[in-house]
Amino acid sequence: AQTVTQSQPEMSVQEAETVTLSCTYDTSESDYYLFWYKQPPSRQMILVIRQEAYKQQNATENRFSVNFQKAAKSFSLKISDSQLGDAAMYFCAYRITQGGSEKLVFGKGTKLTVNP
Amino acid sequence: EPEVTQTPSHQVTQMGQEVILRCVPISNHLYFYWYRQILGQKVEFLVSFYNNEISEKSEIFDDQFSVERPDGSNFTLKIRSTKLEDSAMYFCASSERVQTNQPQHFGDGTRLSIL
Repeated sequence: AQTVTQSQPEMSVQEAETVTLSCTYDTSESDYYLFWYKQPPSRQMILVIRQEAYKQQNATENRFSVNFQKAAKSFSLKISDSQLGDAAMYFCAYRITQGGSEKLVFGKGTKLTVNP
Repeated sequence: EPEVTQTPSHQVTQMGQEVILRCVPISNHLYFYWYRQILGQKVEFLVSFYNNEISEKSEIFDDQFSVERPDGSNFTLKIRSTKLEDSAMYFCASSERVQTNQPQHFGDGTRLSIL
């Protein structure tokens, strides 16, 4: 069964600094998608970044980038130049697809605090 | 940017009562989902829905749960006889397509409290 593990329940970073949130997953599939979602205190989960497993190049979205290590089944999120608005819960998710349907398997989340 | 909207934001219900959680997915999306998050635990998949039928459901989604798309815009989750352990945050999500790079878009969630 696919599982997603986020080993850091909480992290903190100084404003303008860089922080890396870790995520590992377990799967026997060779092609899949991975996502990072952000859930600020306003509660809506917002997509931060996505990675297709067959793409070797790490995804980047402005200040957000991933370090995708397929062999190690690792998918960490790097936030550069952290801003106060980055404070949120961050969830790593693996997408399972089968028979024309899909579902997300989430990690437990990492609560990120940004200190001014 | 279009959003998934959920109502109510907080629902308090007596144990044994029926509750309906409502969601309005993004208008051109065809695939709909419900997830739940018990306080302090992971977000868990409940059910996916496409073309007016359930595509997949988890073992959590037992006979007490049902989903419906009663009209062209709403997607509802009904819990027939609520239990204390149903207390959780319930998230609705929708996606335009599946098995592509299109992500699922989530609503704000409904916090369900069973007394």
